[in-house]
Amino acid sequence: EVQLVQSGAEVREPGESLKISCKSSGDRFSNYWIGWVRQMPGKDLEWMGIVFPGDSATRYSPSFQGQVTISVDKSISTAYLQWGSLKASDTAIYYCVRQHPGGYLHFDLWGQGTLVTVSS
Amino acid sequence: DVQMTQSPSSVSASVGDRVTITCQASQGIDSWLAWYQQKPGKAPKLLIYAASNLQSGVPSRFSGSGSGTDFTLTISSLQPEDFATYYCQQADSFPLTFGGGTKVEIK
Repeated sequence: EVQLVQSGAEVREPGESLKISCKSSGDRFSNYWIGWVRQMPGKDLEWMGIVFPGDSATRYSPSFQGQVTISVDKSISTAYLQWGSLKASDTAIYYCVRQHPGGYLHFDLWGQGTLVTVSS
Repeated sequence: DVQMTQSPSSVSASVGDRVTITCQASQGIDSWLAWYQQKPGKAPKLLIYAASNLQSGVPSRFSGSGSGTDFTLTISSLQPEDFATYYCQQADSFPLTFGGGTKVEIK
């Protein structure tokens, strides 16, 4: 069974950098878009962006463009989400997601979520 | 951006009830719509993809319909494990967008 396993919870201060990860346990990692979804405390889901492991192509939501960087290392079936300078408003749960095998940009696999807390 | 508007924002229902949730897109999205279920403290789970296709392993009491701008998720007979928040998501164009969620609560 394919799973997405995310890195553990993080606590950082404002202005610090951070990189969280999402590792796929299955094969064919390079064939499906991998994305990131934010959920702020008690709030709704927000799509941040996606990366295609085959060629590292990325697409970002305008709301997150320039605020985060999405990358991938297909040799270890791992995608990343990183911040150069965190803000308190980045406090949220971040989910990685996998494109549906049918080719739709719906997400059939979700990681367990990584809680990022930014506080001084 | 395509805005996705769900209604109602919350609904109170009893076990065995038929529950219908709607999602309206601000522009036509063909059939590129999915529905997810999220329980507290858990990651969302895909229920329906491409508007009406039941994801593998999802009970048949869940069904989806619609195309263009108006979509519906129906739970034919609500079960105790169905109390959760439901989200729609469009995949017609970037940026991909989610609806605001519908919380299904116990009456």
